[in-house]
Amino acid sequence: ELKVEQNPLFLSMQEGKNYTIYCNYSTTSDRLYWYRQDPGKSLESLFVLLSNGAVKQEGRLMASLDTKARLSTLHITAAVHDLSATYFCAVASNSGYALNFGKGTSLLVTP
Amino acid sequence: GAVVSQHPSRVICKSGTSVKIECRSLDFQATTMFWYRQFPKQSLMLMATSNEGSKATYEQGVEKDKFLINHASLTLSTLTVTSAHPEDSSFYICSAPAWGPNTEAFFGQGTRLTVV
Repeated sequence: ELKVEQNPLFLSMQEGKNYTIYCNYSTTSDRLYWYRQDPGKSLESLFVLLSNGAVKQEGRLMASLDTKARLSTLHITAAVHDLSATYFCAVASNSGYALNFGKGTSLLVTP
Repeated sequence: GAVVSQHPSRVICKSGTSVKIECRSLDFQATTMFWYRQFPKQSLMLMATSNEGSKATYEQGVEKDKFLINHASLTLSTLTVTSAHPEDSSFYICSAPAWGPNTEAFFGQGTRLTVV
C-alpha cells in the first residue's frame, strides 16, 4: 500500500519568511503532484513532478522531487498572506492515475 | 488546461433519499475518472475508479451498493449516493487524468453534500 506522509500538518509563518513542506512516500512512483486547496474549494494544481531531480517554480513556490529518497519538498520563499491555504502532495501509483494524498499542510501566513 | 466540470456544487437532501453527482470532462475524453471523498479538515480519500463501459472498482470499505457509479460515455461519470444518511455528508470530488507531457490529474469543483 502506498503511503504518503506530509509534514508539518500545521504551519504558521510570518510574511517575508521562508519555509519548506516535506512529502515522503513509501513505494516507487513516477508522478508526484502538489495541490492547493482554499476553504470550501476544490484542488488547484500547482506542480507535477515526473522525474528524479525535477524542480519547478512558480512565483514564491518551488517544488522538487528526489525519487531515490522518495521525498518531495515544497519551498515557500518570502511568504505573503495570499499563500494561506492547505497544501497537499499526492502520489500516483505506478498502475494508474489514482492518487494517494498526504494529510495536507494548513498554512497560515500572518503579518 | 483541461477542464473537469462537476455538478451540483452544493446539495442538501433528506435522510433516505438519493443524490446524483455528475462529473464531465469538457474538452477531452476520459476513459477513467476517480471519485474522492473529503471530510472536514481531512485529506482526500479515493472512493472508486470509474471505468467507461465497465464496472467501477471500489476501494476497500466503500459500499458499492450505496455509492453507485456509472460511466456511460467518454465524458461523463455519475456518482449516486443512495439512501443517504447524515454520515454521508462530505465533500465529493471527481478527477480525470489528461494524457500529455505533464500527465495531469484534473479535479472538478467538488460537491458539498449535506444530509439532514
